[in-house]
Amino acid sequence: IAGITQAPTSQILAAGRRMTLRCTQDMRHNAMYWYRQDLGLGLRLIHYSNTAGTTGKGEVPDGYSVSRANTDDFPLTLASAVPSQTSVYFCASSLTIGTGTGANVLTFGAGSRLTVL
Amino acid sequence: GQNIDQPTEMTATEGAIVQINCTYQTSGFNGLFWYQQHAGEAPTFLSYNVLDGLEEKGRFSSFLSRSKGYSYLLLKELQMKDSASYLCAVTDSNYQLIWGAGTKLIIKP
Repeated sequence: IAGITQAPTSQILAAGRRMTLRCTQDMRHNAMYWYRQDLGLGLRLIHYSNTAGTTGKGEVPDGYSVSRANTDDFPLTLASAVPSQTSVYFCASSLTIGTGTGANVLTFGAGSRLTVL
Repeated sequence: GQNIDQPTEMTATEGAIVQINCTYQTSGFNGLFWYQQHAGEAPTFLSYNVLDGLEEKGRFSSFLSRSKGYSYLLLKELQMKDSASYLCAVTDSNYQLIWGAGTKLIIKP
């Protein structure tokens, strides 16, 4: 089934630990994104990638890093988790960013619920 | 600053019609999106407006007025499965999506 796979589905993590959230898509989309969603707030962009080999910072990038070694994978790493990073994390992709058919229409993964204690 | 406003919560009756409003102030405009998100699930794409007017898709319609910085999502013949949050998002001049906090729609029998 075409789409986005995220792992893990949920995780409880001790503060200070390193954690990588995995994201894989099989739609050959060029653009990929990581969002966090917290109660009462809109989706906030952490990092994004226009195409393989490039990444950019979103609205809330501090404490997070990403890489885009190939088209399909876009892992998100928390180098040293803190309680304020407790959230639901969504990976998303779009055919492209900008103009044209399918541009900016996001397909989301099922989410990863992360709790940092 | 950039801002998207939508009501936090709305309640409607099964079979009725509901209109969810969204107002925006962004640096530039390259389109407005509506997404549906059921509790505990991922958002899914509903509609896209880039020109003024009404876009109809089955029971759902979305309207845009760029001069007023305003959109609404109209849901007709409400069903219990329409209970969800509805997210408004605007693409700014850099083609980045700015998201509203979402409107939780509660459908009562």
